[in-house]
Amino acid sequence: GAGVSQSPSNKVTEKGKDVELRCDPISGHTALYWYRQSLGQGLEFLIYFQGNSAPDKSGLPSDRFSAERTGGSVSTLTIQRTQQEDSAVYLCASSQIWTGGRYEQYFGPGTRLTVT
Amino acid sequence: AQSVAQPEDQVNVAEGNPLTVKCTYSVSGNPYLFWYVQYPNRGLQFLLKYITGDNLVKGSYGFEAEFNKSQTSFHLKKPSALVSDSALYFCAVREDSNYQLIWGAGTKLIIKP
Repeated sequence: GAGVSQSPSNKVTEKGKDVELRCDPISGHTALYWYRQSLGQGLEFLIYFQGNSAPDKSGLPSDRFSAERTGGSVSTLTIQRTQQEDSAVYLCASSQIWTGGRYEQYFGPGTRLTVT
Repeated sequence: AQSVAQPEDQVNVAEGNPLTVKCTYSVSGNPYLFWYVQYPNRGLQFLLKYITGDNLVKGSYGFEAEFNKSQTSFHLKKPSALVSDSALYFCAVREDSNYQLIWGAGTKLIIKP
């Protein structure tokens, strides 16, 4: 079946502009995660959605970052007033309903954001 | 607090030799352990996981990992390395009471012909 998709694959924006990144998870997956990965580095957790529960926003680096998930499926990560330090690859992952943590996450190809 | 350590930033192996990528973890409860691989300019791909049962877990592309509870380790292994195995490898752990994965910093694996 289809995997996790993300769009756009690349985004170049000017400092101060707002950007929206989209994630379409695997059908039936109720858990959705956003991560940030700087060049050649590890993953930085941003936000987690599980079904209709309130999201865990503890990883969002500032109030310029927000995310929503509509209808329990597609998610949008919005970065307002982008800064150069926001440049990174933004990864989305989804997994089956979390019951005891045994399910692996499936990742999309990522969106490479460059702020000039 | 949960944590994962990948003590080697880079591992170099000659093609055809066995490879090991190390991972140690710290959790309070039962650990669920995962290995992912990231090829250049691509997203992360799931390789294998340990949930319960046999300590030796087999995964994709001929990789395997051994869960060692006493040493709190989950090292990734392959008997014979291929040049195409060159990539960035991430270990991750989740405590059975927590939905969030804790990620290691990654180990760059370079296989030389």
